[in-house]
Amino acid sequence: SQQGEEDPQALSIQEGENATMNCSYKTSINNLQWYRQNSGRGLVHLILIRSNEREKHSGRLRVTLDTSKKSSSLLITASRAADTASYFCATGDGRANQAGTALIFGKGTTLSVSS
Amino acid sequence: DAGVIQSPRHEVTEMGQEVTLRCKPISGHNSLFWYRQTMMRGLELLIYFNNNVPIDDSGMPEDRFSAKMPNASFSTLKIQPSEPRDSAVYFCASSLADRVVGYTFGSGTRLTVV
Repeated sequence: SQQGEEDPQALSIQEGENATMNCSYKTSINNLQWYRQNSGRGLVHLILIRSNEREKHSGRLRVTLDTSKKSSSLLITASRAADTASYFCATGDGRANQAGTALIFGKGTTLSVSS
Repeated sequence: DAGVIQSPRHEVTEMGQEVTLRCKPISGHNSLFWYRQTMMRGLELLIYFNNNVPIDDSGMPEDRFSAKMPNASFSTLKIQPSEPRDSAVYFCASSLADRVVGYTFGSGTRLTVV
């Protein structure tokens, strides 16, 4: 079963605009991760936010986490055509040991940035 | 590091045939994950290993699927016999088992069963 659900399923914007994608999840988490997938490629890790963090930045990426609402958002500022990809949130702490759980991914948001 | 290496990149096989997918994780990573991606079901976790030992295989859809990790640098996912509904992209990922860090994914194997 999948933990995270992204919204919207698809998003089309113009270069230079901001893109916001949302992720909702159902159970308690200790961290949430965002990944990007270009067409025909594997997923690439973008950013990890822990449950005691509310906001995190990495370059043009801004991630927020609201554990009370069980939701996260990924904001890409000043988007470029190269940002065209699918974006996934993942929950589960990711550790493969007895204390952890492997990552579970949502179905993703497909972002299209046109020039 | 060359990253996580999967082979083959594409596989087309006939229904009933055995299919073996291969994965070489990043050197030093001690956890390995197999995922399957389809349009209908998204990314599904099939099985994962810690220090070559399977930890959770509850995602393996049927007994036709099996996975092994004979050493720290190699894992296989086998489907025998294959069926058309197994058609999907299969991804391997690796990470550090005891740390909360991102996964490194391979480029995937696109399997088509006809």
